[in-house]
Amino acid sequence: LAKTTQPISMDSYEGQEVNITCSHNNIATNDYITWYQQFPSQGPRFIIQGYKTKVTNEVASLFIPADRKSSTLSLPRVSLSDTAVYYCLVSGGGGKLIFGQGTELSVKP
Amino acid sequence: DTAVSQTPKYLVTQMGNDKSIKCEQNLGHDTMYWYKQDSKKFLKIMFSYNNKELIINETVPNRFSPKSPDKAHLNLHINSLELGDSAVYFCASSQDSVFRLNRANYGYTFGSGTRLTVV
Repeated sequence: LAKTTQPISMDSYEGQEVNITCSHNNIATNDYITWYQQFPSQGPRFIIQGYKTKVTNEVASLFIPADRKSSTLSLPRVSLSDTAVYYCLVSGGGGKLIFGQGTELSVKP
Repeated sequence: DTAVSQTPKYLVTQMGNDKSIKCEQNLGHDTMYWYKQDSKKFLKIMFSYNNKELIINETVPNRFSPKSPDKAHLNLHINSLELGDSAVYFCASSQDSVFRLNRANYGYTFGSGTRLTVV
């Protein structure tokens, strides 16, 4: 299974756009890229998933370059409530999620 | 209605005791999981059941025994608790289709976790 590398922590201010990049150099052809969000004292929550190019939903955008060896989660105009740990996952199937250490995002006023 | 509910939310117990954590999902999902999150925030899968059948069993001590009476419930029983078992345990569920579609990461719903403290 492909291993992922993310920054351990990031700081931002309210209203800013936040981009979190994840490296997955040995991603396989059938692997999807998925991001989860975890608030304190809660379980992870699915944010967005993509295979290539760009995916956008009401919460975030996901940018995936052509070689798919990295991906960037973009959160537009963050608020204090976006303070959480963000996990990048790469997996092609089999049912189990392989979580890395995640990126702890801290949004300040 | 809570989609995936775990009880209890907090559990403090002494070493050597036996305890259980219960999980129920009302999403109609066929597959349920137990994950363990340690103090460094790493989430690691322990078990997975699909329609009451064990399909994933990671390297977990035999003291941990999952039980699935039906596809909506997956309980975790832990015997002879040790200090190192202290962690947050998360139950999750997913649609059976994640296997067929080969999109393993999509469609998972997690519970809010059970914080187990062994003293």
